Amino acid sequence: KNQVEQSPQSLIILEGKNCTLQCNYTVSPFSNLRWYKQDTGRGPVSLTIMTFSENTKSNGRYTATLDADTKQSSLHITASQLSDSASYICVVSADNTDKLIFGTGTRLQVFP
Amino acid sequence: EPEVTQTPSHQVTQMGQEVILRCVPISNHLYFYWYRQILGQKVEFLVSFYNNEISEKSEIFDDQFSVERPDGSNFTLKIRSTKLEDSAMYFCASSGLSGLYGYTFGSGTRLTVV
Repeated sequence: KNQVEQSPQSLIILEGKNCTLQCNYTVSPFSNLRWYKQDTGRGPVSLTIMTFSENTKSNGRYTATLDADTKQSSLHITASQLSDSASYICVVSADNTDKLIFGTGTRLQVFP
Repeated sequence: EPEVTQTPSHQVTQMGQEVILRCVPISNHLYFYWYRQILGQKVEFLVSFYNNEISEKSEIFDDQFSVERPDGSNFTLKIRSTKLEDSAMYFCASSGLSGLYGYTFGSGTRLTVV
């Protein structure tokens, strides 16, 4: 069954610190992996997208990695800001479909 | 930056009533989608729509649901005979030619069935 698992479920960090979120997936055949940021009550906003051949992608303070062999991805946030408080969702797409398979997300809270 | 627009932002309806959720996708996109997120749960795929027909649907998307692109700009989700368990955030999304890039979500419609 195609699944996306994330850890930790929630995370609290102080402003200015770095953090890393983890994602494991069992989607096959794999097409691409995305990280989305979702503020409470809002729609998901894309941060990065990576295909099979890419193993790292950056977007400002966000850096995503992908290991397609172990089916793992991470999202590293550098120098966190209060506005980074949100859910971060790992989303995977299979090769034979346009639908996205969402993970349950990591709820990040950044405190001053 | 182009946006996917959804209306209304919040809809309250009585159980058994029909509701229509509306979306205006990004103008040059060709693929359209509906997802839903029950409170506290993950986002789930409902349906994809391309070339004026459903291209894929999940097991959630049963006969109670229908989609339509009535006028070339709007994309609607109709839920007939709503049930309490239909209460959720409903997100519309659209993407470009390949479906790989430009996959953009709207801000959602919060549907509350009472």
